[in-house]
Amino acid sequence: AQSVTQPDIHITVSEGASLELRCNYSYGATPYLFWYVQSPGQGLQLLLKYFSGDTLVQGIKGFEAEFKRSQSSFNLRKPSVHWSDAAEYFCAVGATSYDKVIFGPGTSLSVIP
Amino acid sequence: DGGITQSPKYLFRKEGQNVTLSCEQNLNHDAMYWYRQDPGQGLRLIYYSQIVNDFQKGDIAEGYSVSREKKESFPLTVTSAQKNPTAFYLCASSGRVTAGELFFGEGSRLTVL
Repeated sequence: AQSVTQPDIHITVSEGASLELRCNYSYGATPYLFWYVQSPGQGLQLLLKYFSGDTLVQGIKGFEAEFKRSQSSFNLRKPSVHWSDAAEYFCAVGATSYDKVIFGPGTSLSVIP
Repeated sequence: DGGITQSPKYLFRKEGQNVTLSCEQNLNHDAMYWYRQDPGQGLRLIYYSQIVNDFQKGDIAEGYSVSREKKESFPLTVTSAQKNPTAFYLCASSGRVTAGELFFGEGSRLTVL
């Protein structure tokens, strides 16, 4: 069955520290992979996406993610976290046809000043 | 600016009442989606539509209904048959060339009194 897991429900980091949010997926075909961010009471915003090619993708707000096919992972990273990065982060997997997108359960990020 | 508009942002209803949430997009996207979000449960797909006058049930369609009479509009009706309708509802759209990449509205919070 197709699924997305985010092992960390909640993460707390200090401002200026590095960040890595984990994402693992189970998908039968070559996946399209996404990371979205959601501020409280708001909709989701796309941070970055992977369709093909270079396995290290850059996104907005200084985020990057690396696709590792052998590990079925698509972890999100940021070298230095800002207080404004505190939000909910969702990993998602899609398909070549625009059937439904499957979302992970989300990781809540708190940032300590 | 192009985007997705959801209304109302907050809605209260009494038990037994049907309510309709509006979703309008001016992105010229073919596909539109409705998701339900509950705390700690991520996003669950209610209905989606890939083309005008056609839509498919998602994972939790019971107690909900939709229509797609225009490309720009995809309203969601929460019926009295929905046993636990209090939630945050998100509408999204995607274009054919960016399959799986979703653009979200800011959400509608429904509270049943």
